Amino acid sequence: DAGVIQSPRHEVTEMGQEVTLRCKPISGHNSLFWYRQTMMRGLELLIYFNNNVPIDDSGMPEDRFSAKMPNASFSTLKIQPSEPRDSAVYFCASSSYYEQYFGPGTRLTVT
Amino acid sequence: AQSVTQLGSHVSVSEGALVLLRCNYSSSVPPYLFWYVQYPNQGLQLLLKYTTGATLVKGINGFEAEFKKSETSFHLTKPSAHMSDAAEYFCAVSDQGSGGSNYKLTFGKGTLLTVNP
Repeated sequence: DAGVIQSPRHEVTEMGQEVTLRCKPISGHNSLFWYRQTMMRGLELLIYFNNNVPIDDSGMPEDRFSAKMPNASFSTLKIQPSEPRDSAVYFCASSSYYEQYFGPGTRLTVT
Repeated sequence: AQSVTQLGSHVSVSEGALVLLRCNYSSSVPPYLFWYVQYPNQGLQLLLKYTTGATLVKGINGFEAEFKKSETSFHLTKPSAHMSDAAEYFCAVSDQGSGGSNYKLTFGKGTLLTVNP
């Protein structure tokens, strides 16, 4: 299996622009998680889905953030408009039980 | 609600020395416990896990951890550190209390392990 796939691996954008991060979970996994990692705040859970349905989005920092999972093999995390404080590494993880498998992450820089 | 405390945000050891990374948890139900490792510029990788059964679990790269219910601990150890062990280590506990099929984990803040030659 290819593991969890994330794209792009690096994204540099200007403040105010829309950013879309993409994730393809491992085939057969029915749970998907979006995390954000920064030096200041560590690893934060933003939102997670079970069977394509959002279960808990309490970690989404603001209305500027939104996430979708239109089918079992694809999810997006969108930031609109982006701000410099959104600069972080964003991870997607998937699981079929408690053991989560992480993707390589997307390093987002907002200037 | 579940929580995880990792004592020591940074641990430094010499190559060949014992590695001990501490993790304490709180959980209202019997927990599932995990250790993940993150190498620079990579995602988190599962090192080992405890679900049920034997309380001493072995993982990859010579690491092991022991579940101690009475101490609510799940410390990670390795007898002899190698330079390649330098990474950040995260302890995590399952959120079984949410029930159903919600397989959320609560992560600790991480411990950065430095290995000196």
